[in-house]
Amino acid sequence: EPEVTQTPSHQVTQMGQEVILRCVPISNHLYFYWYRQILGQKVEFLVSFYNNEISEKSEIFDDQFSVERPDGSNFTLKIRSTKLEDSAMYFCASSEGSEETQYFGPGTRLLVL
Amino acid sequence: KQEVTQIPAALSVPEGENLVLNCSFTDSAIYNLQWFRQDPGKGLTSLLLIQSSQREQTSGRLNASLDKSSGRSTLYIAASQPGDSATYLCAVRRSGYSTLTFGKGTMLLVSP
Repeated sequence: EPEVTQTPSHQVTQMGQEVILRCVPISNHLYFYWYRQILGQKVEFLVSFYNNEISEKSEIFDDQFSVERPDGSNFTLKIRSTKLEDSAMYFCASSEGSEETQYFGPGTRLLVL
Repeated sequence: KQEVTQIPAALSVPEGENLVLNCSFTDSAIYNLQWFRQDPGKGLTSLLLIQSSQREQTSGRLNASLDKSSGRSTLYIAASQPGDSATYLCAVRRSGYSTLTFGKGTMLLVSP
């Protein structure tokens, strides 16, 4: 069964450093998403992406964040200058249509020191 | 702003029991509701998606119901097994948007 994959599974970085989280969505899906979950808190929406542009974003998704689909298979989330409060599990998801079931990847656990 | 609440926060039951997990949401203008399972330190596995026009959806031992007007959904698990132990999350999608708003989840422990 096709699944969403994410790399790396864990990343430790120093405050102020740039990180890039990578995702490979399910191949025939057209909508892509990033969510995050701070330890002990709810899963929160960050951004959705369709047709090579951002379709929706939350107030969390400020200028420090950017997304890109650099080729036909990868979908990336970049955090330009990490802060301590960016420490969280980051989930990528994809769906066939905007209102279809979203399938989530296993997540990348980011720790900012 | 949509708020999603799940009760109880944690539940412990012996194997074989039937159980109900509750989810409530404040804005009834939803397009659909999705139930997920999350194992510790892992990603989210989609269990059921129920459209706003539907009253319930079933998959194996799982049955999800939706009462959109009252802002409630339940997930019924029949004949629970230790392998069902996980955190169960509900998430709603607003009409016209693709984003999901999540509850905090119910942590379920099924003991043998």
